[in-house]
Amino acid sequence: AQTVTQSQPEMSVQEAETVTLSCTYDTSENNYYLFWYKQPPSRQMILVIRQEAYKQQNATENRFSVNFQKAAKSFSLKISDSQLGDTAMYFCAFMKHEERGDMRFGAGTRLTVKP
Amino acid sequence: KAGVTQTPRYLIKTRGQQVTLSCSPISGHRSVSWYQQTPGQGLQFLFEYFSETQRNKGNFPGRFSGRQFSNSRSEMNVSTLELGDSALYLCASSVSGLRNSPLHFGNGTRLTVT
Repeated sequence: AQTVTQSQPEMSVQEAETVTLSCTYDTSENNYYLFWYKQPPSRQMILVIRQEAYKQQNATENRFSVNFQKAAKSFSLKISDSQLGDTAMYFCAFMKHEERGDMRFGAGTRLTVKP
Repeated sequence: KAGVTQTPRYLIKTRGQQVTLSCSPISGHRSVSWYQQTPGQGLQFLFEYFSETQRNKGNFPGRFSGRQFSNSRSEMNVSTLELGDSALYLCASSVSGLRNSPLHFGNGTRLTVT
């Protein structure tokens, strides 16, 4: 079974600074996808970034980037130039190569950006 | 393009009753997945539908069921409600439901069972 672990229940960062959220996962699969979703108080889960396991290059989306270490089964999210609107729960998620709709989520990290 | 729409936003039911939740996916999306989110268990996969067929199912009792209509809209039904069914129920749609088609979530339905 695939499990996703986020070891930081809560984190805070000053506005404009950089923060890194950690995620590790356990799987015997070789082909899979990894995702970071954010869930603000509005409750809607929003896709932040995704990484295909067969790609060695780390994904980047504007201020968001990942550090994907396949051998270590680690998938951390770096947020640069943090903004107040980044305050949210962040979930790391895993999906097997041919899985249908079944995404495994970590417990989440609550990030607070302070002015 | 309109996002995933879930109705109602809030629902209060009594133990033993049944409830139906609705989800309208993004136009063109044929896959709809349902998740239960609770503080204790986090996000857990319920089931996934594609072209009116259930393709995948999580580890939930048979009281939890769903269906999908020809226009891709989906409903989830929970019968004989228990206190532990209180949760945020999230619906997500994608083009295909596969790993190269990210899930787009709705705002959820907050179900409270008393």
